[in-house]
Amino acid sequence: SQQGEEDPQALSIQEGENATMNCSYKTSINNLQWYRQNSGRGLVHLILIRSNEREKHSGRLRVTLDTSKKSSSLLITASRAADTASYFCATGVSGNTPLVFGKGTRLSVIA
Amino acid sequence: KAGVTQTPRYLIKTRGQQVTLSCSPISGHRSVSWYQQTPGQGLQFLFEYFSETQRNKGNFPGRFSGRQFSNSRSEMNVSTLELGDSALYLCASSRWAQGPQETQYFGPGTRLLVL
Repeated sequence: SQQGEEDPQALSIQEGENATMNCSYKTSINNLQWYRQNSGRGLVHLILIRSNEREKHSGRLRVTLDTSKKSSSLLITASRAADTASYFCATGVSGNTPLVFGKGTRLSVIA
Repeated sequence: KAGVTQTPRYLIKTRGQQVTLSCSPISGHRSVSWYQQTPGQGLQFLFEYFSETQRNKGNFPGRFSGRQFSNSRSEMNVSTLELGDSALYLCASSRWAQGPQETQYFGPGTRLLVL
């Protein structure tokens, strides 16, 4: 069953614009991770944010986590055509339990 | 370091056959997880191995099985293939004993088509 749900399911923007994707989850978490997947290929890890953190940055990526609302957002600034991909959030709950992935947001960046 | 490798990359089988997929994790990684990805169900966890032991198992029928060798390489097997097994099978490795909760490094996947 899906723990995280991304919103929107699909997003289309112009190159240079910012893209924001949201993830909501249901239970308490240890960490939340964002991954990117280019069409039909493996996932690439972007950022891990732990439950005691509120914000993290990596290059043009900014992730926020609001544990009171059980939600996270991924912001990609100054998007490029190469950012076109599906973006997934994954939640880590506790102990040795595996990550649970959402169904993803498909981002299209138009040059 | 070389990334996670998966073989074969593409596979076509017919219903009723069985298939074995292979995954070599990043050197030094001891946890290997397998996922099935389909358009309808998304990314679903199959199982995770650590030090040759299955530590976690997802909600899949017994036709899906796996194993891990002493060098951390892993295989998964699907017996009596069904049309619904057509999917992208992804392998991921992670460094620490916590395994599946930590950062996962994914391979390129094996795309299986069952006819």
